[in-house]
Amino acid sequence: DAGVTQSPTHLIKTRGQQVTLRCSPKSGHDTVSWYQQALGQGPQFIFQYYEEEERQRGNFPDRFSGHQFPNYSSELNVNALLLGDSALYLCASSLQGRTYEQYFGPGTRLTVT
Amino acid sequence: AQSVTQPDIHITVSEGASLELRCNYSYGATPYLFWYVQSPGQGLQLLLKYFSGDTLVQGIKGFEAEFKRSQSSFNLRKPSVHWSDAAEYFCAVGDRGATNKLIFGTGTLLAVQP
Repeated sequence: DAGVTQSPTHLIKTRGQQVTLRCSPKSGHDTVSWYQQALGQGPQFIFQYYEEEERQRGNFPDRFSGHQFPNYSSELNVNALLLGDSALYLCASSLQGRTYEQYFGPGTRLTVT
Repeated sequence: AQSVTQPDIHITVSEGASLELRCNYSYGATPYLFWYVQSPGQGLQLLLKYFSGDTLVQGIKGFEAEFKRSQSSFNLRKPSVHWSDAAEYFCAVGDRGATNKLIFGTGTLLAVQP
């Protein structure tokens, strides 16, 4: 049973560029949440997707957007990258109705130079 | 607003010694409570969770945690630490809304001395 997978593992981008991160949920899961973990901090909730719609957003600007596909996989897009966007981006999957049980992927380390 | 406080940024214990990591939360009702562990360069692994019922919960790897409503605490314990327990530990509150988003503390980095 495959767990949550994320790609790429690492990414280096330049300020002002755009980036897309990808997440495949655990088999059988239909809900995907994204978190940002800055160095030395705990993860912070960005948003959650279910049925291809954003259900809730944390305190992140519109530069952060997402998408969920019919197969439940998800993308996180960040536009106009800032140095402060450098972080580990974690994807967590869950089953609707049991979203309190979130399974995390290994994350994508984004470095903005 | 909901929040989680982990007062200890860094803790060092000797292998075989007991461990207690502190966690305090702020939440209007009884929250869902979690402890996660993160090894260097890795994602988060769930150690244990509390939803309701027995306030002492058992988790994986020999960890346990006790929910104390009067103290708004959910401290993590292990009777005998192994070198492989060295990692960062995060306490989290689950928002009992539609999304159950997790609100994390800033983490406690555990070092284990031989």
